[in-house]
Amino acid sequence: GAVVSQHPSWVICKSGTSVKIECRSLDFQATTMFWYRQFPKQSLMLMATSNEGSKATYEQGVEKDKFLINHASLTLSTLTVTSAHPEDSSFYICTVGRPDTQYFGPGTRLTVL
Amino acid sequence: QKEVEQDPGPLSVPEGAIVSLNCTYSNSAFQYFMWYRQYSRKGPELLMYTYSSGNKEDGRFTAQVDKSSKYISLFIRDSQPSDSATYLCAMSGETSGSRLTFGEGTQLTVNP
Repeated sequence: GAVVSQHPSWVICKSGTSVKIECRSLDFQATTMFWYRQFPKQSLMLMATSNEGSKATYEQGVEKDKFLINHASLTLSTLTVTSAHPEDSSFYICTVGRPDTQYFGPGTRLTVL
Repeated sequence: QKEVEQDPGPLSVPEGAIVSLNCTYSNSAFQYFMWYRQYSRKGPELLMYTYSSGNKEDGRFTAQVDKSSKYISLFIRDSQPSDSATYLCAMSGETSGSRLTFGEGTQLTVNP
């Protein structure tokens, strides 16, 4: 399977600060990556589709100005949570879209105090 | 109505039991069907991937897809305590690398 890394694996920040999460595809050049969030004991919610070299496509109800996505290369997509608030605390997971399926990163746990 | 329905459980079985996990779906455009396993506080891990109808076996795991009934299953034989996790079904349409629609996930506990 694909190797996908995320950094950081966990982060704690103060309310009002911005947090950047990196997603790297280590063995596959990914034109498409996906960002999900997951609340405790709930399923995955797709936030946006990250397209290399173009703007991300956001799901309905996801604020694009709050969750900034940049897919600058075929191996790196970043998600920046701007002006984070406690309700943004969640588990954020990226996936790499390959021709056969999607492979998940290990996730980033964000806690906003 | 959700596009993909999955019983969230929890499901608790003794070690060695055969486990059956299921999902139903309503979108006939789905062509690719996947099962992911997620341990607590970890990202999901791809277990099985099936294109269209049929069966696929990998060790103790068997995935079945019945497109006529819009029903997919994952069977785990000789279940182990290490199989205790949440199992998510997922499916997609035209290309498997495109956006996935997930079931809610079934929480499984295998008791030693």
